Amino acid sequence: AQSVTQLGSHVSVSEGALVLLRCNYSSSVPPYLFWYVQYPNQGLQLLLKYTTGATLVKGINGFEAEFKKSETSFHLTKPSAHMSDAAEYFCAVSDQWGAQKLVFGQGTRLTINP
Amino acid sequence: EAGVTQFPSHSVIEKGQTVTLRCDPISGHDNLYWYRRVMGKEIKFLLHFVKESKQDESGMPNNRFLAERTGGTYSTLKVQPAELEDSGVYFCASSQDGVRRETQYFGPGTRLLVL
Repeated sequence: AQSVTQLGSHVSVSEGALVLLRCNYSSSVPPYLFWYVQYPNQGLQLLLKYTTGATLVKGINGFEAEFKKSETSFHLTKPSAHMSDAAEYFCAVSDQWGAQKLVFGQGTRLTINP
Repeated sequence: EAGVTQFPSHSVIEKGQTVTLRCDPISGHDNLYWYRRVMGKEIKFLLHFVKESKQDESGMPNNRFLAERTGGTYSTLKVQPAELEDSGVYFCASSQDGVRRETQYFGPGTRLLVL
């Protein structure tokens, strides 16, 4: 079975500061890893994904994440936060070999302070 | 290209009533998924269609939930009779078949409140 843990249900940073959202996963098979974002009153939007190959993945809006197999982590970062980054972020894992269903973490609500 | 659409956006019903949620996937996407987020909890998988066939329905909570995808296009999720614990946001997602199947595109969700 797969699982995802997002450390911190709420994260608050100042505008211009580094954003770091933590995600650890558990999977008995090679994983696909995803970060989704949900802005207020909207659906989930894919930020970035790791499938195979390069472990540092760049996504939209300046976000990136690094797959670290030894640490079973896929933390999301952005060098400089913007007010528009305020949203809820979800880390998810699926199975490379079979089941396509996504297993989500609990979500992290990011607040940006002016 | 139109994204995944869901109808209605909101639904408020009383316990014991029936509600039907609809999802229209992105055109040409064979894979369709339903997920649910109960307040305060994580988003959880309900089921997965490949065209009109149920590939995986391991997440369906009980037999009060019935999902269909006639003709392999849009899908409906019926809750009958609704209970208080069914309140939450129901998301639909779709993906292509083949090499890009892992990327799921989500709709805006249907917010269901059972009173």
